[in-house]
Amino acid sequence: DTGVSQDPRHKITKRGQNVTFRCDPISEHNRLYWYRQTLGQGPEFLTYFQNEAQLEKSRLLSDRFSAERPKGSFSTLEIQRTEQGDSAMYLCASSPGLAGTGGQFFGPGTRLTVL
Amino acid sequence: GEDVEQSLFLSVREGDSSVINCTYTDSSSTYLYWYKQEPGAGLQLLTYIFSNMDMKQDQRLTVLLNKKDKHLSLRIADTQTGDSAIYFCAESSNTGKLIFGQGTTLQVKP
Repeated sequence: DTGVSQDPRHKITKRGQNVTFRCDPISEHNRLYWYRQTLGQGPEFLTYFQNEAQLEKSRLLSDRFSAERPKGSFSTLEIQRTEQGDSAMYLCASSPGLAGTGGQFFGPGTRLTVL
Repeated sequence: GEDVEQSLFLSVREGDSSVINCTYTDSSSTYLYWYKQEPGAGLQLLTYIFSNMDMKQDQRLTVLLNKKDKHLSLRIADTQTGDSAIYFCAESSNTGKLIFGQGTTLQVKP
């Protein structure tokens, strides 16, 4: 399978715990994006990487959120001290490079439930 | 600011055409996209159109773009029950991030 993969697919945690999600983009795609989707809404942009450089962060990304892409391949998104409002689907997408061309290809998402 | 709006729900009969509409605000968007999301799944890229085009056809899908009115539509010909899903319109910013609408739920009745 050469699509975008995400792990885990589901995560249930208690409020106050830390969680980490992983995204493996399509190989050779140098742009990687994170989005968050809540029920009944479209995905909202969180952050993106060009290779290993994090080039843009949304104001939705509070200081409890951190993302990395250390070698320009897979990426991790960590949420510290989770809150119930963090419950959502976290989507990762990758694209081959030039801004906006050809679309972004999405993974299946990680559904986070914070109890 | 950037904003994308869509109607929330559309119901059609199998075999009819479906037209899903979208308006956007960022006139500098270079590309506009349509994505499909089935229950519990990620987003599938259906088609996209470059902003200097008026129309793009891809098998049963036709995209129309009115850049003056910032209006985008997706027409699905001969709609099938397998087309039942949520359809998202999205515009790309100059950094490549996508701005999505709320999604239109398409219900196809047999």
